[in-house]
Amino acid sequence: DGGITQSPKYLFRKEGQNVTLSCEQNLNHDAMYWYRQDPGQGLRLIYYSQIVNDFQKGDIAEGYSVSREKKESFPLTVTSAQKNPTAFYLCASASRSRGKDYEQYFGPGTRLTVT
Amino acid sequence: GEDVEQSLFLSVREGDSSVINCTYTDSSSTYLYWYKQEPGAGLQLLTYIFSNMDMKQDQRLTVLLNKKDKHLSLRIADTQTGDSAIYFCAESRYGGNQFYFGTGTSLTVIP
Repeated sequence: DGGITQSPKYLFRKEGQNVTLSCEQNLNHDAMYWYRQDPGQGLRLIYYSQIVNDFQKGDIAEGYSVSREKKESFPLTVTSAQKNPTAFYLCASASRSRGKDYEQYFGPGTRLTVT
Repeated sequence: GEDVEQSLFLSVREGDSSVINCTYTDSSSTYLYWYKQEPGAGLQLLTYIFSNMDMKQDQRLTVLLNKKDKHLSLRIADTQTGDSAIYFCAESRYGGNQFYFGTGTSLTVIP
């Protein structure tokens, strides 16, 4: 089945530790995205990548880092510099190919709790 | 999400129609979307409309777009308890590669 997987579903970390969230897709999509969701605030874009080895900052990139070494994978690292990392993190992908580049699909999300 | 606005809550009785509203500000938006999110899950794409259309119907869902007023609505006919969820509207800009989301409307269906 084609889709987007995120792992783990729940993640707990101590303050001061970096943590990496996994996102994999087998939809052959060029573009991938990371969003953060907080109650009452909708989704906010952290980083996005339109092609392998290239990515751009979104609205709230501070304290986060990403890599895009493979088309299928777009891991997000939450660093200790992120002041309020506890949130629900959603990964998404979209195709850039003509006629199909306007549908964005989401993974199931990872809930990160930092104490 | 600050450029895409939605009311936070909506309650309807089972069997009634639900109408969820959204306003956006960017006139360059190419597509406008409705997503559904159930508790603890990712977002599921329900439907979308191209910015040069004014209506799209898909089974129980009807999307209306008033481009002049930058107003988008989602009507769910014969609302069921399984429709209880958070509904997000979103717009795409810059050739469709960037997406901007509203704050979400939490729909509660009362049996």
